[in-house]
Amino acid sequence: EDKVVQSPLSLVVHEGDTVTLNCSYEVTNFRSLLWYKQEKKAPTFLFMLTSSGIEKKSGRLSSILDKKELFSILNITATQTGDSAIYLCAVGQGAQKLVFGQGTRLTINP
Amino acid sequence: EADIYQTPRYLVIGTGKKITLECSQTMGHDKMYWYQQDPGMELHLIHYSYGVNSTEKGDLSSESTVSRIRTEHFPLTLESARPSHTSQYLCASSGLDRGRGETQYFGPGTRLLVL
Repeated sequence: EDKVVQSPLSLVVHEGDTVTLNCSYEVTNFRSLLWYKQEKKAPTFLFMLTSSGIEKKSGRLSSILDKKELFSILNITATQTGDSAIYLCAVGQGAQKLVFGQGTRLTINP
Repeated sequence: EADIYQTPRYLVIGTGKKITLECSQTMGHDKMYWYQQDPGMELHLIHYSYGVNSTEKGDLSSESTVSRIRTEHFPLTLESARPSHTSQYLCASSGLDRGRGETQYFGPGTRLLVL
């Protein structure tokens, strides 16, 4: 059965801390791994990863994929209260399907 | 007022027609995106751009093409529309939002029906 597992499910830290969110997957016909941030409405795109070992970076956020060990991490440094959200990991497989993880609810306290 | 616009909002066309879906934003954002979403289904990223003359294919393979000649404009083109292209197409842009970090804003969407 295809599955995407995120950990932790919930994380509360103080502003300025660095956090690492984990995503492991077991899916057939892997195409890509995507990270999204969801605050209220539709998820907003953060990164798409297709190759192992190549770090993608956007400001204080970065992500990397390990296709051998079947996982990805999302790092956020110097966290701010605006980083509070649910972070979703999704794996694209085949031609159409996206398999989503349960999400990690991140809360940044001032 | 800064915003993100999509035209047309609704489009019904016949198979084989060439169409361009327009997306413009007045927020000065460098990053822009096109998503495809079927009713009740998740968003699929089909194209994105991190700035002028930069375009990348997204997660879902698409027969559409995009261009980014100006910061504010990110049109999506289908050379020959087919019924399988029937869907909702959402444009988005993102930039640093003071106090909130990188924030993505969505346009109202274009609902495309290909007969």
